[in-house]
Amino acid sequence: DTGVSQNPRHKITKRGQNVTFRCDPISEHNRLYWYRQTLGQGPEFLTYFQNEAQLEKSRLLSDRFSAERPKGSFSTLEIQRTEQGDSAMYLCASSLDGRQGGIYGYTFGSGTRLTVV
Amino acid sequence: DQQVKQNSPSLSVQEGRISILNCDYTNSMFDYFLWYKKYPAEGPTFLISISSIKDKNEDGRFTVFLNKSAKHLSLHIVPSQPGDSAVYFCAAAKYNFNKFYFGSGTKLNVKP
Repeated sequence: DTGVSQNPRHKITKRGQNVTFRCDPISEHNRLYWYRQTLGQGPEFLTYFQNEAQLEKSRLLSDRFSAERPKGSFSTLEIQRTEQGDSAMYLCASSLDGRQGGIYGYTFGSGTRLTVV
Repeated sequence: DQQVKQNSPSLSVQEGRISILNCDYTNSMFDYFLWYKKYPAEGPTFLISISSIKDKNEDGRFTVFLNKSAKHLSLHIVPSQPGDSAVYFCAAAKYNFNKFYFGSGTKLNVKP
């Protein structure tokens, strides 16, 4: 297993366009998380899945954002009608379960850098 | 509302000396604390963790200290090596581990 994979690595889009990012977690990991990181800040929680169920969403996740994990494997994060404030690094992470992730940390992907122009 | 704070954006130390990175938190409900290291163009990688029932955890050159009464934790790296140069994030979670709250990071530069 090659770890958590995120695609694309970079995305430049015009304001108002829709974008979709993909995350492939470690195959046996049941938990999948999305975080967002802006310049000079630490990662901020967006949402997490336990298998295919989305169990928590941050208030940062406005109605323009939607995330899915249809078969409990890969996940997608879609942003509709992008705004300049959406420019950030979007990080995906996975863990075997909550407790394992808490004690031994998540495995993060390298992120997708979104630039909205 | 930043519940985890790292007040030093950067730190520079000489190779072989001790690096001390600090982190403060406000929520007494946090149960677990982790440190992550991040190199440019990569995702954060887990470094070391500590439970709220302990005050110290050691792993090789890395030691994390927790002072619950002061709501403060620190990461000690001894001896520091140039390869330790990276951004270090502290993070905290409640008992259910549903999410982590991250600090804003400290950029460590270890000079040869």
